[in-house]
Amino acid sequence: EPEVTQTPSHQVTQMGQEVILRCVPISNHLYFYWYRQILGQKVEFLVSFYNNEISEKSEIFDDQFSVERPDGSNFTLKIRSTKLEDSAMYFCASSGDRVNAEAFFGQGTRLTVV
Amino acid sequence: DAKTTQPPSMDCAEGRAANLPCNHSTISGNEYVYWYRQIHSQGPQYIIHGLKNNETNEMASLIITEDRKSSTLILPHATLRDTAVYYCIVRVRDDKIIFGKGTRLHILP
Repeated sequence: EPEVTQTPSHQVTQMGQEVILRCVPISNHLYFYWYRQILGQKVEFLVSFYNNEISEKSEIFDDQFSVERPDGSNFTLKIRSTKLEDSAMYFCASSGDRVNAEAFFGQGTRLTVV
Repeated sequence: DAKTTQPPSMDCAEGRAANLPCNHSTISGNEYVYWYRQIHSQGPQYIIHGLKNNETNEMASLIITEDRKSSTLILPHATLRDTAVYYCIVRVRDDKIIFGKGTRLHILP
């Protein structure tokens, strides 16, 4: 069964450093999403991406964040200058193969900012 | 904010059917009802979705009331591995998913 793949599974970074979280969505999907989950809290929407541009973003997704689909297969989330409060699980999801509308999630990247 | 209301927690004996309710009284005509679950801190897992008809797959059944204002997810024979947080979500096809707090389901041995 096709799946969304995220790398790395765990990343530790120093405050102020840039991080790039990587995702390989399901190959025939058209819509891509990033979510985050701070420990003990609910899953929060960050951004959706369609047709090579951001279609919607939340208040959390400020200028520190950016997304890119550089090569038609990978979908990345960049945090320019990490803060302690960026520590969370980050989930990538994809949907929309024109037949089914389910969104499938990756297993997440645990980001720890120290 | 999530457009659904779910009980914060439920218990179910192993081997019995788990029936998880959800209210979505403001659902629009083009919104589907989706169910996802999250086991510990893993990525949310798709379970099932429906528009107005009842649906069944290998994981669960979804019963949607005729007025579409509520639904029930049924896990027919719950196992310990079904212990998770279950999210009921209403969503237009391909739109973002907004998660609420869900129902924490405890399967009791």
